[in-house]
Formats: sequence, structure tokens, C-alpha cells
Amino acid sequence: QVQLQGSGPGQVKPSETLSLTCTVSADSIGRYFWGWIRQPAGKGLEWIGRFYSSGTTNYNASLRGRVTMSLDTSKNHFSLKLTSVTAADTAIYYCARETVFGVVQYFDSWGQGTLVTVSS
Amino acid sequence: SSELTQDPAVSVALGQTVSITCQGDSLRRYYVTWYQQKPGQAPVLVFYDKQRPSGIPDRFSGSTSGNTDSLTITGAQAEDEADYYCSSRDSSGSSVLFGGGTKLTVL
Repeated sequence: QVQLQGSGPGQVKPSETLSLTCTVSADSIGRYFWGWIRQPAGKGLEWIGRFYSSGTTNYNASLRGRVTMSLDTSKNHFSLKLTSVTAADTAIYYCARETVFGVVQYFDSWGQGTLVTVSS
Repeated sequence: SSELTQDPAVSVALGQTVSITCQGDSLRRYYVTWYQQKPGQAPVLVFYDKQRPSGIPDRFSGSTSGNTDSLTITGAQAEDEADYYCSSRDSSGSSVLFGGGTKLTVL
């Protein structure tokens, strides 16, 4: 059973860069898509983007230009960077393993979530 | 449309049957996925690719009609009280859409 553990600073100043890492255990990180989803307090889920070991990336159009994802297969972890953050980026950030094929898409394993607050 | 629409809240009496719906144009082309989220926890996959993951009770089932998909709980239990989110690939296929979520209350 794969486990995902997100980590990173719990607080980021406005206009700075949010950086989070998700460590994957018991799995080959190169065989799946890996994604990030966020959830502001009391609100719904928002897809941020996905990364595949081939270098394929897809990002939410509303965040395009500010978001970058990367993969480090040697450390079995993947990362998210979100630049120029504002209070609207305050949320719980989840990392997840994603399967995508044909008409099917799902996240079957999720990290515990990392609360990131944008505040000076 | 690039949205998935869910009713904000639904309630069901203990032991009765309830359906949670998700509507969107992307569902005409892509399969729906359903997640259950309890307070303070990460979402859990409960239905995907027209099937239940291992460990999800068989009282959870899914159905589809046109641009609307439903997650049905037959014989709702107290532990089913949670927020439920639908999702699918968007019309371009490259992004993921989430519905706004439905809060299920078991009375």
C-alpha cells in the first residue's frame, strides 16, 4: 500500500514562493502520474496539476504561470512550487497518486494534507 | 461547460437510500470519480471506472444518464456522513474538474 507524506513550511509571506514536497513510500515513483490538489478552509477541492516521470505536466489554467512541479526519482519524491502567493492561496495542499487512461481519471492514494497559510 | 455541479447538501434517514448527483458536460465523454471526505481527513476514493475500490462497502454504487452521474448509498449508515466530491477529466482531457461537493447528513 503506497503512502504519501507531504511536507513544507506552514506559513509563507505574500508575494513569496510556496514550496512543498511529497515523499512516496513503497512504490515506484516513475510509473505513475503524481498530482497536487488544494482545499481552502471550509471549501471544495481544487486541482492544481499533475506530473509524470516523462516530464509531462498539466496545470490548472487559473494557476498557469505561477506553478511548477518536478520529480526526484532518486529520492522518491515530487515537489510543488507556487510563486507570487496571496491570501487566496491559503489552503490545505494534498499530494496524490493519479491514474489516467482513456476516459478514466482518479486519485487513489492521498497524502495527509499540509496546511499552508499565506500571511506576513 | 467546464464545471461539475453538485447539490450543496443532502440528508437521509439511517438505513434509507440516498443518491448524490453530479452534472456536467464532461460526463458525456469521461467517467465520473467519487470521493468521500470526513472532517479533518484527506479524501478517500469510493467509486471510479464504474467500480468500487477494494474495501469500499457494496452499499455504494454508481449510475449515469447523459450528463448526470449519481452515487447511490443503499442503506445509509452513520459512518457515511461526510462530504462527497465528484470529479472527471475536463472536456480537453488535460485537466481535472471537481464538483463543489455535497454534504451528506445521516439522520
